[in-house]
Amino acid sequence: NAGVMQNPRHLVRRRGQEARLRCSPVKGHSHVYWYRQLPEEGLKFMVYLQKENIIDESGMPKERFSAEFPKEGPSILRIQQVVRGDSAAYFCASSPISLDNRLDEQYFGPGTRLTVT
Amino acid sequence: TQLLEQSPQFLSIQEGENLTVYCNSSSVFSSLQWYRQEPGEGPVLLVTVVTGGEVKKLKRLTFQFGDARKDSSLHITAAQTGDTGLYLCAGGRGNFNKFYFGSGTKLNVKP
Repeated sequence: NAGVMQNPRHLVRRRGQEARLRCSPVKGHSHVYWYRQLPEEGLKFMVYLQKENIIDESGMPKERFSAEFPKEGPSILRIQQVVRGDSAAYFCASSPISLDNRLDEQYFGPGTRLTVT
Repeated sequence: TQLLEQSPQFLSIQEGENLTVYCNSSSVFSSLQWYRQEPGEGPVLLVTVVTGGEVKKLKRLTFQFGDARKDSSLHITAAQTGDTGLYLCAGGRGNFNKFYFGSGTKLNVKP
């Protein structure tokens, strides 16, 4: 998976708790994407970030969800007051900037499987 | 609504058969990627195509980008059980836009 690290791989939370998912992109990549996947389904876009900037958060619920990609450190997807419906696999991907500024490829991490009990 | 439609959704074939998976859209993309995902893992990039009409081969896999850059196909020759997985296409529109994913084709190759 080209060096994208995600942790934890598995996370169990009780309803009402907070979940923090971390993603370290490929070294040198400055673009990070978060996706959500339910069993037997494709990937649903959540948010696209550059360092210290949210570029597109159109796929992220307005409440309880937030994401950041600080100047130093990993990108964090935060889910507050989790509910059972938040149970899913959350994938992070990173992307370089190609020479002509097109973002041609994404490299995915192994995912964090969140289970809300 | 899905910007990229994949077909078929499910495909179950015998080892040795050929198959084609399609990824269609009414929108133009600057690039299109194909990924394979196995259970419990993240998607793994197979190929990126960027030029209309482009054909790329990866061993028994042949990828084609439509002339108008709105669609793509993945053809597998002589499928093997190791080809089993979820195949996803994703389109990029350049200029720092997000990627759009198809809903996937779940392939099962039986021995």
